[in-house]
Amino acid sequence: GAVVSQHPSRVICKSGTSVKIECRSLDFQATTMFWYRQFPKQSLMLMATSNEGSKATYEQGVEKDKFLINHASLTLSTLTVTSAHPEDSSFYICSARVMDGYNQPQHFGDGTRLSIL
Amino acid sequence: AQKVTQAQTEISVVEKEDVTLDCVYETRDTTYYLFWYKQPPSGELVFLIRRNSFDEQNEISGRYSWNFQKSTSSFNFTITASQVVDSAVYFCALSEAGNAGNMLTFGGGTRLMVKP
Repeated sequence: GAVVSQHPSRVICKSGTSVKIECRSLDFQATTMFWYRQFPKQSLMLMATSNEGSKATYEQGVEKDKFLINHASLTLSTLTVTSAHPEDSSFYICSARVMDGYNQPQHFGDGTRLSIL
Repeated sequence: AQKVTQAQTEISVVEKEDVTLDCVYETRDTTYYLFWYKQPPSGELVFLIRRNSFDEQNEISGRYSWNFQKSTSSFNFTITASQVVDSAVYFCALSEAGNAGNMLTFGGGTRLMVKP
């Protein structure tokens, strides 16, 4: 159980394109999902915390207008990279916390590798 | 503020050697959780272990073992008889405020290369 599906797994697109990444909890409900970014050979850095039905909380230095997060249901959060540029190329990975699952660890998706040409 | 330090950026060993990956953390909370994740080249994060701050018992799972020492704020990970399939990046992580589901602060990761 506790599977998180992230789609797409890989995206290659031209500069200026907006890219949407989906994060779904398949067999559980998640009021909270997290979005992380990982540059090559670096660690994972939290970008934002996504809460169902409310605005996402962004970490310092992360542009809200650049990385739009929508958590419209208890099983889906989306991250849209708007007008993507080469510097946005990175590995994006989401995780979800089980609703009412106090002290349950986050469950991670398999990540999305974004390459902007 | 919380911080996780993995001083070893890369380790290279020969198959069947034992290897220990170091993790040192900083937190002001008295209740927190520590994790280890494995990230193979394919990129997904594989959960290995979770340990809460009140449980200092060492844990062994097959070839994996973990040594949690609150006195030195360390949570080290040992792989015995390493295998080529163990080659990956390993991350230590910390969540605060007494909830294992809270946001994670990751260490910089240790790239382990196991050569045949």
